[in-house]
This record gives sequence, C-alpha cells and structure tokens, in this order.
Amino acid sequence: GIQVEQSPPDLILQEGANSTLRCNFSDSVNNLQWFHQNPWGQLINLFYIPSGTKQNGRLSATTVATERYSLLYISSSQTTDSGVYFCAVKALGGQNFVFGPGTRLSVLP
Amino acid sequence: DGGITQSPKYLFRKEGQNVTLSCEQNLNHDAMYWYRQDPGQGLRLIYYSQIVNDFQKGDIAEGYSVSREKKESFPLTVTSAQKNPTAFYLCASSIVYQSPLHFGNGTRLTVT
Repeated sequence: GIQVEQSPPDLILQEGANSTLRCNFSDSVNNLQWFHQNPWGQLINLFYIPSGTKQNGRLSATTVATERYSLLYISSSQTTDSGVYFCAVKALGGQNFVFGPGTRLSVLP
Repeated sequence: DGGITQSPKYLFRKEGQNVTLSCEQNLNHDAMYWYRQDPGQGLRLIYYSQIVNDFQKGDIAEGYSVSREKKESFPLTVTSAQKNPTAFYLCASSIVYQSPLHFGNGTRLTVT
C-alpha cells in the first residue's frame, strides 16, 4: 500500500517564527488532507488539498501531486499552534485514507 | 450545531470485559469511520461504513465489532479478544465514502 512520511518528526520554534512541514507519499493520490491535533487530542481539519495551493490566515498548503509531496506553511507561529500535524492521503485506486506519523510542533512563548 | 459526538470522553474497564464506544453525527454524512491512535503514533483504521447497514474491516479490525443500523450512529465494541485495547479512539464521518474526513473529539479507553 501507499507509504506516507512526514518531516521533521519534531520541531521547536519561538513564537513568531515561520515553519514548513513536509508530507511525502509513495504513490499517486486523489485526496490529501492536513490536520492539527491539539494537546487535548482533538483533530482539526486544516486543508483538503489534493493539488495546488490554498491559504487560510497564517496557514497555507501546497500539494505537488506529480512529485508526490505536500507542504504546510505556518507563518508567525503562536503557542496555540502547538500540537501534532498529520497529513492523510488516499491513493488513486485505493480505498481509505492513510495517515502519516505526524510532526510534533512546540511553539515556545 | 452540526458535528460528531463521541462519548464518553474517558472510559475505564477491567480486562476481559467488552466495552462499547458511542459515535453520533448530525451532519447527514453517509460514511463513518473508526480509528485507533496509540501514543506518539498516527491513526489506524479499524472499521468503516459507506452507508447504513453496511460496514467493512479496516487495517486492524481484529478484536473489534461495529454496527450501522442508523445513519447517525456507528458504535464500536472493543471485545475481550482485543489484546491491547488501551488507546485513543477517534470516530470520523464524511459526506460520502472517500470524501474529506471530519473527526469527533475522541474517547480515551484504559483497560487494566
């Protein structure tokens, strides 16, 4: 089945810094989502982005499907951005979403 | 407000007991899913249901059972056959099967 990798596994930032999180996948996809899991375990939808670029406030995401990766950009980070960021992909012809292992982000005040 | 409700938030059980986790959605979504998350790990699919009265096994279905008698409800039973049941369980739904997922707040199950 499709393999999903995320990097870096851990990231520590000072408040106000920018960051880029990466999601690589091993096969063609027709669905891709980015989620933020807050410290209480709640999974929040950030983007549905099988291709192209989207922006929502301080967050933006780009998926280059032909090269099999997606990037999540966080600008001017805040302590509330802390948590784990997951990408989930559905392979072309596949049945279900497969989750990556996540990037744990800690934003320090 | 539309959403997915999982209850209870925390659940404690003795080994050897079956336990049922509740998941209810009022989003009018056709598809529902159960995921398991272990500490420091990603999510793994237990079961999914594309429509009412239909469900399929996911990647780690052994020791679990589900039912989908109503569109709004997709309860998960963790049976005594599940060897390592302690985990965080997340329910999700989507408008139709394979469309973007929306998650409930999860149930943390501890079995001792």
